[in-house]
Amino acid sequence: DAKTTQPPSMDCAEGRAANLPCNHSTISGNEYVYWYRQIHSQGPQYIIHGLKNNETNEMASLIITEDRKSSTLILPHATLRDTAVYYCIVKGNTGNQFYFGTGTSLTVIP
Amino acid sequence: GAVVSQHPSRVICKSGTSVKIECRSLDFQATTMFWYRQFPKQSLMLMATSNEGSKATYEQGVEKDKFLINHASLTLSTLTVTSAHPEDSSFYICSARDRTGGPLHFGNGTRLTVT
Repeated sequence: DAKTTQPPSMDCAEGRAANLPCNHSTISGNEYVYWYRQIHSQGPQYIIHGLKNNETNEMASLIITEDRKSSTLILPHATLRDTAVYYCIVKGNTGNQFYFGTGTSLTVIP
Repeated sequence: GAVVSQHPSRVICKSGTSVKIECRSLDFQATTMFWYRQFPKQSLMLMATSNEGSKATYEQGVEKDKFLINHASLTLSTLTVTSAHPEDSSFYICSARDRTGGPLHFGNGTRLTVT
């Protein structure tokens, strides 16, 4: 599975959009981009995933560049409860293991 | 949405005893479940892959005789930490993926403290 690179930390003002980048330059054609977040002392929570097209759900939007070498997770109106560590993982839809990198620690500031 | 239930959420045990942690997929079938460990301020580390009806596969450096995994049905996997020591104190998290694919879903973790 392709490796991912994320900034270690970011701040965002409450009510503003949080844009979390992820680089995955070695992604292959059949690999999806998955995003999870982990709030302190809880299990990771699935947010969204995509292959080529941009995706949106009730939690977030996922923007994948045309060459698929990077993506951005967008939380449109960040709240204090969005403070968490966000993980970007690249994974094929077959096979098993999900390996976590170090993620981005997002702090939403009042 | 898919729910993974993990029990217990917290356990304290004495050094030398064994502890069993259960992981259940509540509304889907999972031929494969995964066990992770997380130390403070670190990311999740995959320990092993639990396969229904067959032996688990362990990541490099994880002792299979110490961390016993049983996956007896399509909805239940258990992790037993045998002869626990204080250095085994950690946050253990299970996860499962629907047999048809898609995202991985996680339990809420078990905080193990070995005294």
